[in-house]
Amino acid sequence: KQEVTQIPAALSVPEGENLVLNCSFTDSAIYNLQWFRQDPGKGLTSLLLIQSSQREQTSGRLNASLDKSSGRSTLYIAASQPGDSATYLCAVPAGGSEKLVFGKGTKLTVNP
Amino acid sequence: DAMVIQNPRYQVTQFGKPVTLSCSQTLNHNVMYWYQQKSSQAPKLLFHYYDKDFNNEADTPDNFQSRRPNTSFCFLDIRSPGLGDTAMYLCATSRGRQPQHFGDGTRLSIL
Repeated sequence: KQEVTQIPAALSVPEGENLVLNCSFTDSAIYNLQWFRQDPGKGLTSLLLIQSSQREQTSGRLNASLDKSSGRSTLYIAASQPGDSATYLCAVPAGGSEKLVFGKGTKLTVNP
Repeated sequence: DAMVIQNPRYQVTQFGKPVTLSCSQTLNHNVMYWYQQKSSQAPKLLFHYYDKDFNNEADTPDNFQSRRPNTSFCFLDIRSPGLGDTAMYLCATSRGRQPQHFGDGTRLSIL
């Protein structure tokens, strides 16, 4: 059974700092991995999708990496801004299906 | 813009009173999902429709049901809500195994 763990559960940083969020998963037989952002009381916004054949994916100040063999992914945020404050969740498919298994997320606070 | 729309955004209902949440999509995706997300928890899949095929998760409570009358709409029915069903309910859509697109969710409170 696929399980996803995200560390840390919460992170508070000053504006401008670079930071890394971590995600680990137990079943490495995945075909992709997604990172989502969730603002308080809102739904999920997809940030980055990494296919299993890729090692990393970039979008603006965000860079996500994937190491399937070790069951790990990282989300790197450069030059953090207060507007980046949100909960970041990673998700992987369950057993090769279209269903996703989510981590509990990392709650990020960027202080001005 | 093409999107996933959930109604209502907020719903307060009484213990035991049936409630229906709705989701519509303009993406013409063939898969629709319902997730339950409790405070500070990961979204948990309740069930999903792959085209017209209904797929229930093994641990989804019996009083949770769903209907998909056509490609665009999907409903979540809770027959007899309990206090523990207070949560955010998220609808998502996808084309097969392509990335899922989420609505803004319905925050449900059971009193």
